[in-house]
Amino acid sequence: EPEVTQTPSHQVTQMGQEVILRCVPISNHLYFYWYRQILGQKVEFLVSFYNNEISEKSEIFDDQFSVERPDGSNFTLKIRSTKLEDSAMYFCASGRTWDRGRRNSNYGYTFGSGTRLTVV
Amino acid sequence: GENVEQHPSTLSVQEGDSAVIKCTYSDSASNYFPWYKQELGKRPQLIIDIRSNVGEKKDQRIAVTLNKTAKHFSLHITETQPEDSAVYFCAASIWVPGRRALTFGSGTRLQVQP
Repeated sequence: EPEVTQTPSHQVTQMGQEVILRCVPISNHLYFYWYRQILGQKVEFLVSFYNNEISEKSEIFDDQFSVERPDGSNFTLKIRSTKLEDSAMYFCASGRTWDRGRRNSNYGYTFGSGTRLTVV
Repeated sequence: GENVEQHPSTLSVQEGDSAVIKCTYSDSASNYFPWYKQELGKRPQLIIDIRSNVGEKKDQRIAVTLNKTAKHFSLHITETQPEDSAVYFCAASIWVPGRRALTFGSGTRLQVQP
């Protein structure tokens, strides 16, 4: 079964440093997302990316965050100046188009295995 | 924006019993409702989803029901097994091309006692 892969699995960084989290979405998917999950809490939407641009973002996704699809396969999340409260598990996800003709198919996201970011 | 409430926060059942988790959503425009299972330290995995044009969907021991009028949907797991123990999240979304941000519920920790 195709997978979304994320690297690194765990990153520790000093407060104020920049980090780049990397994701390789499933190859025939067109929609890409970043979510985060603070320990013990629910998964929260950060940003969606479609057709080489941000299509939607949450209020969490402020100016310190940016996303890029530099080479047609990787999808990156950059946090410019990390804060303690950025410590969380960051999940990349990808999804394909929704076929309106297929009533009983699953068309959810596929999540990557996550990057645990620890800001110290 | 969308708000999804999920109950209960924890649920303990005996192996073989059924488990039901309920969610309500606020935005009547939401039309896609997936359920994810997350084991400790792992990624959320889609287990079943439902679109607003159907009221019920079943996949082996798992079923989801949707009541659009009342804006609630439920996950039903029958004949529970210890390996069903995990945190389950419901979510809701308005599907527009390129925009499919999921709003998640707060999760239900299901424990199946052998």
